[in-house]
Amino acid sequence: AQSVTQPDIHITVSEGASLELRCNYSYGATPYLFWYVQSPGQGLQLLLKYFSGDTLVQGIKGFEAEFKRSQSSFNLRKPSVHWSDAAEYFCAVGERAAGNKLTFGGGTRVLVKP
Amino acid sequence: EPEVTQTPSHQVTQMGQEVILRCVPISNHLYFYWYRQILGQKVEFLVSFYNNEISEKSEIFDDQFSVERPDGSNFTLKIRSTKLEDSAMYFCASSVSEQFFGPGTRLTVL
Repeated sequence: AQSVTQPDIHITVSEGASLELRCNYSYGATPYLFWYVQSPGQGLQLLLKYFSGDTLVQGIKGFEAEFKRSQSSFNLRKPSVHWSDAAEYFCAVGERAAGNKLTFGGGTRVLVKP
Repeated sequence: EPEVTQTPSHQVTQMGQEVILRCVPISNHLYFYWYRQILGQKVEFLVSFYNNEISEKSEIFDDQFSVERPDGSNFTLKIRSTKLEDSAMYFCASSVSEQFFGPGTRLTVL
């Protein structure tokens, strides 16, 4: 069975500083990996996805993530955080590109200090 | 930009009552899903739906739950007899490839 671990429940970062959110997955075959963001009172918005190919993927809002098969990780990064990035971030894994259930991590809540 | 919509945004019901949560997926999407998130817990998969039938369901999705696509636009989740532990945020999603989520319905069972 697939699983996702996000080791950091909360992260506080200063505005303008860099951000890295960790995600580790457990899945026997090639994973399909996703990062979603949830702002207060909002649904889950897709930031980026990895299906195959280049292991460094670019997403919306200046985010990127790197797939490292050897470490079973898919960490999310942003070079310079804006106050509007304060939200909860979820990593998820699926078995294929479409039509399958997603297994989510527990989420990391990001607080941005001025 | 097309988006998934859900109604109502918040539903309060008494234990044992039936509730229907409604979703309008993105119009050209083929796959439809329901997830839930109990307060403070992970987002959990409930069910996926394709070609007018359930394609996969989780252990949570027992006989109390059902889904339906009654027309070409709506996708509903029915809980026949709600329990206290059904209180959660319920998310609908739809996809061709990656999944797009609606804003959720917060269900409170008293």
